[in-house]
Amino acid sequence: SQTIHQWPATLVQPVGSPLSLECTVEGTSNPNLYWYRQAAGRGLQLLFYSVGIGQISSEVPQNLSASRPQDRQFILSSKKLLLSDSGFYLCAWMPSRYEQFFGPGTRLTVL
Amino acid sequence: AQSVTQPDIHITVSEGASLELRCNYSYGATPYLFWYVQSPGQGLQLLLKYFSGDTLVQGIKGFEAEFKRSQSSFNLRKPSVHWSDAAEYFCAVGAYGGSQGNLIFGKGTKLSVKP
Repeated sequence: SQTIHQWPATLVQPVGSPLSLECTVEGTSNPNLYWYRQAAGRGLQLLFYSVGIGQISSEVPQNLSASRPQDRQFILSSKKLLLSDSGFYLCAWMPSRYEQFFGPGTRLTVL
Repeated sequence: AQSVTQPDIHITVSEGASLELRCNYSYGATPYLFWYVQSPGQGLQLLLKYFSGDTLVQGIKGFEAEFKRSQSSFNLRKPSVHWSDAAEYFCAVGAYGGSQGNLIFGKGTKLSVKP
């Protein structure tokens, strides 16, 4: 069966520090992958999606970037974190028929 | 522009009472629809989905939802709420042929359950 992992589960970082969040999917190949950010009371905001290795589409211009170095790995990065980057980051994958399945999330606090 | 509206930010119901969470969408293309549930600090779990066919769909944990095209709605229901149903619920919509299967989510409805 398929599984999606996110690492780390929680992270506290100072303003101006770099960021790297990792998402990996097991048990499937060539999935669509997604990064969302969830801020309190604002629902889910799609940040990036990828349909294949090295293919990244950005939905919202901001302080973050994404990369897909391997088929089942999706990385969210920042060179310098802002306070506004705090939130709950969710990775999702889409196997077929447009259903998305979510990972457990990473809670990022920028101080 | 495509949008999903969940008009109720927070709902409180008594355990054993019935529940209905509202979802309205605005979408130019033929939609497909989902309800997800999120417990605090967790990821989202898929409750149910509608792609086509029977407009009343059954999901996990005793939930059901009805797609009403004329009202652009996809309301979630449960006949008898359990304390473990306390969570946040998100409605999401996508369109066939849309951008890479991307979904648009509502802002969520937080459900509290009174004993």
